[in-house]
Amino acid sequence: DSGVTQTPKHLITATGQRVTLRCSPRSGDLSVYWYQQSLDQGLQFLIQYYNGEERAKGNILERFSAQQFPDLHSELNLSSLELGDSALYFCASSAGGQFQETQYFGPGTRLLVL
Amino acid sequence: DAKTTQPNSMESNEEEPVHLPCNHSTISGTDYIHWYRQLPSQGPEYVIHGLTSNVNNRMASLAIAEDRKSSTLILHRATLRDAAVYYCIPKGSNYKLTFGKGTLLTVNP
Repeated sequence: DSGVTQTPKHLITATGQRVTLRCSPRSGDLSVYWYQQSLDQGLQFLIQYYNGEERAKGNILERFSAQQFPDLHSELNLSSLELGDSALYFCASSAGGQFQETQYFGPGTRLLVL
Repeated sequence: DAKTTQPNSMESNEEEPVHLPCNHSTISGTDYIHWYRQLPSQGPEYVIHGLTSNVNNRMASLAIAEDRKSSTLILHRATLRDAAVYYCIPKGSNYKLTFGKGTLLTVNP
């Protein structure tokens, strides 16, 4: 158990809909990262937040947005969903945003868009 | 980010050592080499990382070539629980982890 929690574990929705994925980091960690894992693209970095502020951005679509709240939990919002958004979404956390520190991953949310 | 080359798959027997290679010939002088693994149906898990010297922890050892163009992750005694996809990730002055395809390790009982 990494200490990172993600809800829900599974999500089934339809094209065009909007969903919110939630992540609680390990106690004391200030950084939260979001990754997407799909069969064709593998594991890809989406975005990072550090203590409530966006710090780094990857290949995140404009239809996707994220935020980190004062209690440090984070939410990833996916809107206008397409079939291709079906994937595993992982959240990770780390202590303080140093480049080489370990990232601890949650169990993921499996999203299926029908 | 430096490109990596890893075997698509490797097989090992339980309780035998496993050497997982990774080529990263374009690595820069300040990039650390991180290894993560992903067990079936789980999120990635940190294994080990290093810069130049060989590193050991309770999970594995990391041997880094003198020219730093390659490294080898060593599992000293593989168990069934070590069956996973292993990712070698050069990491410089950025926050993200860039995952390649990794090596699928199968451990035979």
